[in-house]
Amino acid sequence: QVTQSPASLSASVGDRVTITCRTGQTIADFLNWYQQKPGKAPELLIYAASNLHSGVPLRFSGSGSGTDFTLTITSLEPEDFATYYCQQTFISPPTFGQGTNVEI
Amino acid sequence: QVQLQESGPGLVETSQTLSLTCAVSGASISRGGSYWSWIRQRPGKGLEWIGYIYYDGTPYFNPSLKSRVTISPDKSKNQFSLKLTSVTAADTAVYYCAKVRVGHSTPFDFWGQGTLVTVSP
Repeated sequence: QVTQSPASLSASVGDRVTITCRTGQTIADFLNWYQQKPGKAPELLIYAASNLHSGVPLRFSGSGSGTDFTLTITSLEPEDFATYYCQQTFISPPTFGQGTNVEI
Repeated sequence: QVQLQESGPGLVETSQTLSLTCAVSGASISRGGSYWSWIRQRPGKGLEWIGYIYYDGTPYFNPSLKSRVTISPDKSKNQFSLKLTSVTAADTAVYYCAKVRVGHSTPFDFWGQGTLVTVSP
């Protein structure tokens, strides 16, 4: 089980945003984060809990290991309003959290 | 830059077989280092992994769909396909193909734009 919180949040440009993902079993750092905008495919942001995917802005960061993980956006930009998903890949099948909708 | 593009019918009748193809450019499905995956997203819902294949054709499937899913490579065209049999309304979804990097945390690093498949009664 992969549980994300909150399910949605309201924020403003420039805000610091934190999204949490919790798993039912320990998964080391086999945790990835994705961003999805309406009508678009998800895009990889963070892999292995804390590694920034190529081309992803430095305002995105990830942390955590074991069962508790965090995605942080240090200063929200207009293009960051989207839905964010975490994904565990330690236990088969790989599963995604239910998503966090970041809205204005 | 790796690019993936899904194609196939947007409408499938109940109990029939859903068939989609994913064309890959910028990477070879014949080389190791990546899995080639299908994922779906039901309307207004989250993401569900369907399965993937490795370059040698070894498949891995979600147990919840395993009995109905086939994923096959076409190395001559650098593409891979999805077949889902006995579809119902619950299979209506946007279907994505994706490249999955082999290694630590196996991230899904490149995705197609997705294609909506509706199952009609």
